[in-house]
Amino acid sequence: RKEVEQDPGPFNVPEGATVAFNCTYSNSASQSFFWYRQDCRKEPKLLMSVYSSGNEDGRFTAQLNRASQYISLLIRDSKLSDSATYLCVVNSGGYQKVTFGTGTKLQVIP
Amino acid sequence: EAGVAQSPRYKIIEKRQSVAFWCNPISGHATLYWYQQILGQGPKLLIQFQNNGVVDDSQLPKDRFSAERLKGVDSTLKIQPAKLEDSAVYLCASSLAWGTGELFFGEGSRLTVL
Repeated sequence: RKEVEQDPGPFNVPEGATVAFNCTYSNSASQSFFWYRQDCRKEPKLLMSVYSSGNEDGRFTAQLNRASQYISLLIRDSKLSDSATYLCVVNSGGYQKVTFGTGTKLQVIP
Repeated sequence: EAGVAQSPRYKIIEKRQSVAFWCNPISGHATLYWYQQILGQGPKLLIQFQNNGVVDDSQLPKDRFSAERLKGVDSTLKIQPAKLEDSAVYLCASSLAWGTGELFFGEGSRLTVL
């Protein structure tokens, strides 16, 4: 089983739609979780951290379910500019190994 | 604040040749990472440094890849000899402290092996 798994998509959604991505992780001792965004042929950039209590940043909501070992990202009112690949990131291990998922590609259609 | 600098941006070589990539992290960042990203995949950690010490190189193909960060600042990743499957973007990232999770990436070095 991969350490971090994501549905690669692509998810093709119309503008204004709500879309959700899930990510599962295998190491129950994982300590912190993040979502990164990567535009085509660009480097990944931090989108948001994922806290145990869940967190929201504008149209973006991240949730963590430790019991089931998954995190989620919800995007409301999708914009064309949201088109990108969303990478799930898990921080685990004694030396804080940072592991990326394969990414989920989102295409928002006019 | 200057970001993570990487060079070269692009490199084309033939298989069995060697190549080196350089990375200068954000000033003051103790942790430096090298990731390999093959087209359509997520970044795969090759090696992680804490200052000038290696904390994880479990996925580094040590028969052909090497990396160093001698003075705890900039770093070099070398591939010798290169194989076709090494074609990828090599991303360098740094973070302020161990385990913060917020990595700052350079623009990457795109390698094509013919």
